[in-house]
Amino acid sequence: AQTVTQSQPEMSVQEAETVTLSCTYDTSESDYYLFWYKQPPSRQMILVIRQEAYKQQNATENRFSVNFQKAAKSFSLKISDSQLGDAAMYFCAYLANTGNQFYFGTGTSLTVIP
Amino acid sequence: DTEVTQTPKHLVMGMTNKKSLKCEQHMGHRAMYWYKQKAKKPPELMFVYSYEKLSINESVPSRFSPECPNSSLLNLHLHALQPEDSALYLCASSHEGARTDTQYFGPGTRLTVL
Repeated sequence: AQTVTQSQPEMSVQEAETVTLSCTYDTSESDYYLFWYKQPPSRQMILVIRQEAYKQQNATENRFSVNFQKAAKSFSLKISDSQLGDAAMYFCAYLANTGNQFYFGTGTSLTVIP
Repeated sequence: DTEVTQTPKHLVMGMTNKKSLKCEQHMGHRAMYWYKQKAKKPPELMFVYSYEKLSINESVPSRFSPECPNSSLLNLHLHALQPEDSALYLCASSHEGARTDTQYFGPGTRLTVL
């Protein structure tokens, strides 16, 4: 079974600074998707960014970017110019190309300090 | 439009009650999901419907009964629940096809079982 590991239960960052959240995964598949979801206290899971494993280029979405290292099975999320609204629980997720079952990491709780 | 709606937002029920949770999407997605989420934990998959047919049931107790009346609507019928069933129940949907992809989540129903 696929496993997704987020080794940082909690992180904090000063407003306007940059923070990187770590995620590693284990799979024998060659084609899959990786995601970062954000869940603020309002509780809705919101898609932050998505990466297709066959793409070499790292995905970016405004202030959010990923460092995807396929050989190392690593998928970290970088948040630049952190804002108070970025405070949330962040979940890394894996989806095999042939399946529809997400495998979630245990989450990283991000605090943004004014 | 990437909206998944869920009703009600909050639900309090006794152990002998029967209630239903409702989820709706109008994105043309053919896969729909129910998740259970405890505080500060990742979502746990309960059920997956693909083209209105139940495709995954993650050994969920029979007191939870899913129903997919049509491609836009997903219900979760609750009966004789236990206090440990108190949680956030999330619905999600995604495209279904040769390549499955991003799941879009609803805001959830916060369930309390007394």
